[in-house]
Amino acid sequence: DAGVTQSPTHLIKTRGQQVTLRCSPISGHKSVSWYQQVLGQGPQFIFQYYEKEERGRGNFPDRFSARQFPNYSSELNVNALLLGDSALYLCASSSAGGLGAYEQYFGPGTRLTVT
Amino acid sequence: AQTVTQSQPEMSVQEAETVTLSCTYDTSENNYYLFWYKQPPSRQMILVIRQEAYKQQNATENRFSVNFQKAAKSFSLKISDSQLGDTAMYFCAFYGNTGKLIFGQGTTLQVKP
Repeated sequence: DAGVTQSPTHLIKTRGQQVTLRCSPISGHKSVSWYQQVLGQGPQFIFQYYEKEERGRGNFPDRFSARQFPNYSSELNVNALLLGDSALYLCASSSAGGLGAYEQYFGPGTRLTVT
Repeated sequence: AQTVTQSQPEMSVQEAETVTLSCTYDTSENNYYLFWYKQPPSRQMILVIRQEAYKQQNATENRFSVNFQKAAKSFSLKISDSQLGDTAMYFCAFYGNTGKLIFGQGTTLQVKP
């Protein structure tokens, strides 16, 4: 079975622009979580979605939003990009949501560079 | 709030030797999960090992084992017979009632030939 896939692999944006990152979970998994990993640090939780509903939100500004589609794929949107948004964005999928989403499998990430 | 601390930013070990990575965490919860993830230069975050807090027995996966001390809130990873492919950044992570993975700062491990 295919693992978690993310697109694009890399992208470069300018300050103030908007970006959409995409994630497809492992087949059969219904939960998707998003993380931001700044270079040299551990990932920080942004969102968790399960069955198309938001189940958790990290300490990120409203410029960050996400959604999950009926096929359980997900998009992360970031508006009004800042230089500090430059990071590796990781998507992880799990079979359950909320407290049951303890075993998460990560995708390869999208490297976002804001100039 | 839960926190995870990895006090060793960098470590190195000779091939075939054993190395232990340290992790401590802080929580008031009684039931939770702890993980070690490996992130090689390719960036893919790979689950190495998982420990359920309600289990007293330490988890083992081939060359990887943990020393889980619940009272001390300590969760170290031992890698035996280190291989060059073990070179990576290792993250300790906590999963509890908040429903999110909380990661430590990471330890960069270099396995030398």
